[in-house]
Amino acid sequence: SQQGEEDPQALSIQEGENATMNCSYKTSINNLQWYRQNSGRGLVHLILIRSNEREKHSGRLRVTLDTSKKSSSLLITASRAADTASYFCATTQNSGGSNYKLTFGKGTLLTVNP
Amino acid sequence: DAGVTQSPTHLIKTRGQQVTLRCSPKSGHDTVSWYQQALGQGPQFIFQYYEEEERQRGNFPDRFSGHQFPNYSSELNVNALLLGDSALYLCASSGTAGYTFGSGTRLTVV
Repeated sequence: SQQGEEDPQALSIQEGENATMNCSYKTSINNLQWYRQNSGRGLVHLILIRSNEREKHSGRLRVTLDTSKKSSSLLITASRAADTASYFCATTQNSGGSNYKLTFGKGTLLTVNP
Repeated sequence: DAGVTQSPTHLIKTRGQQVTLRCSPKSGHDTVSWYQQALGQGPQFIFQYYEEEERQRGNFPDRFSGHQFPNYSSELNVNALLLGDSALYLCASSGTAGYTFGSGTRLTVV
């Protein structure tokens, strides 16, 4: 079953605008990661935020985590046409040393129009 | 430095047949996980292999089985294929930090 739910399911913006995607999850987590997927191919790791962190930056990416609301957001600033892809959040659960899997949401399809 | 390599890229099989997918992990990674991604959905965890043993398994039937070899490469086997097994199968390797995904194998069952 899916742990996370991304919102919105689809987002269309113009090049240069900012894109914000949200993710909600159900259980307590060790960390939350964001991935990008182009055209149904492999996933590319973007950024990881640990459960004791609130905000993290990497280049044009900014991720926030609110564990009290069980939610995260991914902000892409100054978007480019090349940012067009599906974006997924994935969590690892905080259930001791025996849970290694990533649990993904259904993803947000971002389209950046030139 | 080669990333995760999966083969084949695409595969078409008939219902009831068996299929084997292969994965070579990124250099330095010793753990391999397999995911199934249906169209329009997020990836679903199938199982993870570490030290040639299945360490954790997701909610998939016994028709799905795997193997890890001493060189850390891995195979995913699916028996008695169903139409619903059509999906992108992703392999991810990991070591001490983070996951690296392969480009996947697109399996179509007809």
